[in-house]
Amino acid sequence: DAGVIQSPRHEVTEMGQEVTLRCKPISGHNSLFWYRQTMMRGLELLIYFNNNVPIDDSGMPEDRFSAKMPNASFSTLKIQPSEPRDSAVYFCASSSSYSGRAYEQYFGPGTRLTVT
Amino acid sequence: AQSVTQLDSQVPVFEEAPVELRCNYSSSVSVYLFWYVQYPNQGLQLLLKYLSGSTLVESINGFEAEFNKSQTSFHLRKPSVHISDTAEYFCAVSDRNTDKLIFGTGTRLQVFP
Repeated sequence: DAGVIQSPRHEVTEMGQEVTLRCKPISGHNSLFWYRQTMMRGLELLIYFNNNVPIDDSGMPEDRFSAKMPNASFSTLKIQPSEPRDSAVYFCASSSSYSGRAYEQYFGPGTRLTVT
Repeated sequence: AQSVTQLDSQVPVFEEAPVELRCNYSSSVSVYLFWYVQYPNQGLQLLLKYLSGSTLVESINGFEAEFNKSQTSFHLRKPSVHISDTAEYFCAVSDRNTDKLIFGTGTRLQVFP
């Protein structure tokens, strides 16, 4: 099992540029989560999908952030325009639901984003 | 709303000493409980979980945690730590009505030789 795959692993961009982070969940998992981790705020849930449908996006910071899941094997998190305060490590995680409940989440290696 | 409290942000300990990382959660309903470990520059890995049944759960590398409903706690323990246990440890809770995990702020365990 390849685990959760994220790309790129590192991204350095200038303020104002568009950034797209990508995630491939574990095959067969039907829930996908995007997190952001910073020293100041710790680990924050941004949005999660179940069966490709966004269920809770209350953690998305503002309209500059958007996420999509066009199919069961791919999701993107886009920031447009990016700002220095968006610098963080972004994690994708996936899990499998049984009888409507999801159990443990499996995390990808993360994308370290630096906005200058 | 659910919340998780990890009282200790850092725990320094010498190799082969015992350690306890504390976790308390706030909930009046049944929950699932997890401990995750994050090694430097890596993602979070599931260490152990409590879903139901025995209140004492163990990991393959010697950690254990005990679910205490009356104290709403899920403390993580290891009788003898190794240098390789140096990492950040996150406690998380999931209530039985959502798929979300609520994470604590993490405890950095640093093991010294």
